[in-house]
This record gives sequence, C-alpha cells and structure tokens, in this order.
Amino acid sequence: AQSVTQLDSHVSVSEGTPVLLRCNYSSSYSPSLFWYVQHPNKGLQLLLKYTSAATLVKGINGFEAEFKKSETSFHLTKPSAHMSDAAEYFCVVRRGSGNTGKLIFGQGTTLQVKP
Amino acid sequence: NAGVTQTPKFRILKIGQSMTLQCTQDMNHNYMYWYRQDPGMGLKLIYYSVGAGITDKGEVPNGYNVSRSTTEDFPLRLELAAPSQTSVYFCASRDSQETQYFGPGTRLLVL
Repeated sequence: AQSVTQLDSHVSVSEGTPVLLRCNYSSSYSPSLFWYVQHPNKGLQLLLKYTSAATLVKGINGFEAEFKKSETSFHLTKPSAHMSDAAEYFCVVRRGSGNTGKLIFGQGTTLQVKP
Repeated sequence: NAGVTQTPKFRILKIGQSMTLQCTQDMNHNYMYWYRQDPGMGLKLIYYSVGAGITDKGEVPNGYNVSRSTTEDFPLRLELAAPSQTSVYFCASRDSQETQYFGPGTRLLVL
C-alpha cells in the first residue's frame, strides 16, 4: 500500500533563508510523487512531480525535490524563501500501479515566512 | 481556458437537506475527481471518473453520489446532509501527464 508522511506540520523560516519540507513515502511500486501548494482559500497547484525520470526534479517558483529511494524520501527545498511562499504544502503519492490517477495526500506542512 | 470551476463557493445546509456541488472543466480531460479537505488534514478522495458514463468510489464515498453524463461536468450530490459532511470540497481534473488541476473549492457547513 502507498502512503506519505510529512514529518513537520509547521515550518517557520525567515525571508531569504533556505526552505526544507520533509516527506517520506511508502510504496510497493516505483512511485509517482508530487508536491502541491495551497495558498489560503485557494485550490491546490502542482509544484513538481517525480515519475521515475531524473531523481532531482525542478518545479515552479524555484522549488525542487530529490527522490531518494534508499531513504524513501522526497523532500522539497528552495534556496531562498520569499514572503509569497507562505502556504500549505502537500506531499502526494499516486495510489497503485494503475492509471486511474488516484492520489494519496500527506497531512500537509504549513510554511510560515517571517520578514 | 477557465480551467476547473466550482459552484457554489459557500453553502450552509441544515441536517437532512440535500444539495449538488457543481464542477466543470474546459480542458477536455477524461479523468475527474472529488475530494474533501477537513481542517488540518490532507485531501481525501470521495469519487472519481475516468470518462463520461464511468464513475467509481474513492476512500470516503458514503453519503455522496456522482454522475458523469458529459466530459465537462462532474456533479457531486449530497443526500441527507450530516454535520460530518462539513468540509471543503475540491474538484479536480487530470491531464495525460498526471497533473491534476484543482478548482477553487466549495465550503460547506452543515448545521
């Protein structure tokens, strides 16, 4: 069975400092992994995805994530936080090996960016 | 493209009432999904559809029904609303590259 665990429910950083949001996954298959962002009172937007190509995945707004099979991790990073990065971030794994696209969401990490 | 649109944005229901949450996408995607998001939680899949006329249950389907008569529309029906259905509901569609596009959500309060 597939699952994701976001290791921090809340992360606070200062503007201009690096961001690290941690995610571990469990999957019986070679997983497809995603990071989505949700700004307050908005729908979710895809940041980046890993689908068994390059292990270092670059996304929008300067975010990237590295797939590490040995550590079953898919942590999200950004070198320098911006105030507009403050949002809820979800690590997501695709359920099963089929193509129905069903997703399993982590519980989310709230990123706070302080001036 | 408008993407995925949802109506209404907010609704208050009394216990036992019913309502339909509307979802429309203009991207010609075959796959569509309904999720609910409870406070402090990730999204849970209610129902999904792989094309017009085909729907299937997700993780939390009880108390809900769906239909998919066209590619564009995927309404979610709540029968006999209960306080446990107070949540934010998101509709999404998926493209061929596995990217899901989400609507802005419907906030539902059942009192």
